[in-house]
Amino acid sequence: GAVVSQHPSRVICKSGTSVKIECRSLDFQATTMFWYRQFPKQSLMLMATSNEGSKATYEQGVEKDKFLINHASLTLSTLTVTSAHPEDSSFYICSASDRGTSLKRAFFGQGTRLTVV
Amino acid sequence: AQTVTQSQPEMSVQEAETVTLSCTYDTSESDYYLFWYKQPPSRQMILVIRQEAYKQQNATENRFSVNFQKAAKSFSLKISDSQLGDAAMYFCAYRGRNNNDMRFGAGTRLTVKP
Repeated sequence: GAVVSQHPSRVICKSGTSVKIECRSLDFQATTMFWYRQFPKQSLMLMATSNEGSKATYEQGVEKDKFLINHASLTLSTLTVTSAHPEDSSFYICSASDRGTSLKRAFFGQGTRLTVV
Repeated sequence: AQTVTQSQPEMSVQEAETVTLSCTYDTSESDYYLFWYKQPPSRQMILVIRQEAYKQQNATENRFSVNFQKAAKSFSLKISDSQLGDAAMYFCAYRGRNNNDMRFGAGTRLTVKP
């Protein structure tokens, strides 16, 4: 089955630094990738939709200058948390849809636990 | 905007018994997809079952089945012959036919008692 690989699985960074999270579709072409944030014991909240070759669409309340998304190829999207603060600590999950069944099926990465100290 | 509501924060079931998790949603669209995802402690999202709104027949995947009531906008998940490995967070999700993004409910934590 389709696989989405997210890296790193865990990262600790200092306040003020930037962190990049990668999301790769390993065996299919992902025209669209989604980035979610999940706080402890809460649901997944959509942050942004990333379309290959175009600018990401951000949900209301998500700072696009803080959470930079790049989707330069059909197999890779990156989320960069810039000037990270402790309140950015969270679990970030990406998902991807393939071209063939883009709306029927989404595949999720393993998630990244970000801790900002 | 579409919303997904899971009214049961926690549920418990005895091993080998049956449990039903509730989900309701709100939408003005006529065609869409509904999903149940399982999130174990590893946090990996695992698709349990999917229902296409234009299909009247309830989806079934082995021990997992849904009761899809389109008019009532209800989409419950039934787990039969519960196993210890079924213990996890379960999220109900909605995706519109012409939208790419998926909206999740708040989740239900399922505990399976041996």
